[in-house]
Amino acid sequence: DSGVTQTPKHLITATGQRVTLRCSPRSGDLSVYWYQQSLDQGLQFLIQYYNGEERAKGNILERFSAQQFPDLHSELNLSSLELGDSALYFCASSDVTDSEQYFGPGTRLTVT
Amino acid sequence: DAKTTQPNSMESNEEEPVHLPCNHSTISGTDYIHWYRQLPSQGPEYVIHGLTSNVNNRMASLAIAEDRKSSTLILHRATLRDAAVYYCILRSGYSTLTFGKGTMLLVSP
Repeated sequence: DSGVTQTPKHLITATGQRVTLRCSPRSGDLSVYWYQQSLDQGLQFLIQYYNGEERAKGNILERFSAQQFPDLHSELNLSSLELGDSALYFCASSDVTDSEQYFGPGTRLTVT
Repeated sequence: DAKTTQPNSMESNEEEPVHLPCNHSTISGTDYIHWYRQLPSQGPEYVIHGLTSNVNNRMASLAIAEDRKSSTLILHRATLRDAAVYYCILRSGYSTLTFGKGTMLLVSP
């Protein structure tokens, strides 16, 4: 158990819809990262927040957005969903040193 | 970002040592070598990282070549639970992790 929690575990929705994925980092960790893992693209970094501020951006689509709240939990919002957005979405957290990241169990999103 | 090259897959027998190679010929002086693994149906898990010297922890050892152009992750006694995809990643400072395809390790009883 990494100490990072993600909800929900599974999500099934239709094209065009909007969903919110939630992540609670390990106690004391200030950084939160979001990754997408699909069969064809592998594990891709989406975005990082540090203590509420966006710190780094990767291959995140404009239809996707994220935020980190004062209690340090983070949410990833996916809108206008397409079939190709079906994937595993992982959240990770790290402390101020950023030396290692601890990953949650992931949310499996299926868009039908 | 500097790239890494890993074999697509490797096989091992249980309780034998496993040496997972990684080539990173374009590594820069500030790049740390990180290893993560991903067990089936789980999120990636940090294994070990190092800069120049060999490193040991409870999970594995990391052997880094003197010229730093290659490294080897060593699992001293493979167990069935070590079957996973192992990722070798170069990371400089606070840069983000860029995962490649990794090496799928198969462990046979």
